[in-house]
Amino acid sequence: ETGVTQTPRHLVMGMTNKKSLKCEQHLGHNAMYWYKQSAKKPLELMFVYSLEERVENNSVPSRFSPECPNSSHLFLHLHTLQPEDSALYLCASSQTSGRAQREQYFGPGTRLTVT
Amino acid sequence: GESVGLHLPTLSVQEGDNSIINCAYSNSASDYFIWYKQESGKGPQFIIDIRSNMDKRQGQRVTVLLNKTVKHLSLQIAATQPGDSAVYFCAENSGGSNYKLTFGKGTLLTVNP
Repeated sequence: ETGVTQTPRHLVMGMTNKKSLKCEQHLGHNAMYWYKQSAKKPLELMFVYSLEERVENNSVPSRFSPECPNSSHLFLHLHTLQPEDSALYLCASSQTSGRAQREQYFGPGTRLTVT
Repeated sequence: GESVGLHLPTLSVQEGDNSIINCAYSNSASDYFIWYKQESGKGPQFIIDIRSNMDKRQGQRVTVLLNKTVKHLSLQIAATQPGDSAVYFCAENSGGSNYKLTFGKGTLLTVNP
């Protein structure tokens, strides 16, 4: 396992529900990411937070709402999702000061099913 | 448009053989590349990276080769083991942003005992 944890690991929700995904990184990194992974498609970047400020919003529908209260925690708030939003949601972190390191470390993901 | 892709979606090898997974990229500004391994039910795991000022880098049982002339990246796994069975992704960063990694679709490697 990596230094990035995600809860819950599995989530089933109806289209009218509101739920939140949580991510925590224990690596001392200053940037955190949300990705969506669907079958047979490359990883899709959703949001990027650097130093707790959102620096990237990759045209994600407003039914996905991120929150980064500090550099170690990241949330993804979900409401009125659609069945096509069913996917594996991955959190990642990286250290972006300087150019020495750019690899991102991933959590295990939350398998989301929207019914 | 710019993209990172993989030549083969699946690769099946015998245990003990060497495996080679290929990746093509089209962004000539890419200067940093990463290989990730993703096992079933887990998130992607960093394997090895390489910067564009190098053409080869070795790790434990893995070697990454970079051919900038033809914009090609490969991951070689020596003495492949059943535990190597996973999906392997390449990713690239153009250097314009430390945040953005562009991922390929992945190659499923199956190791037969």
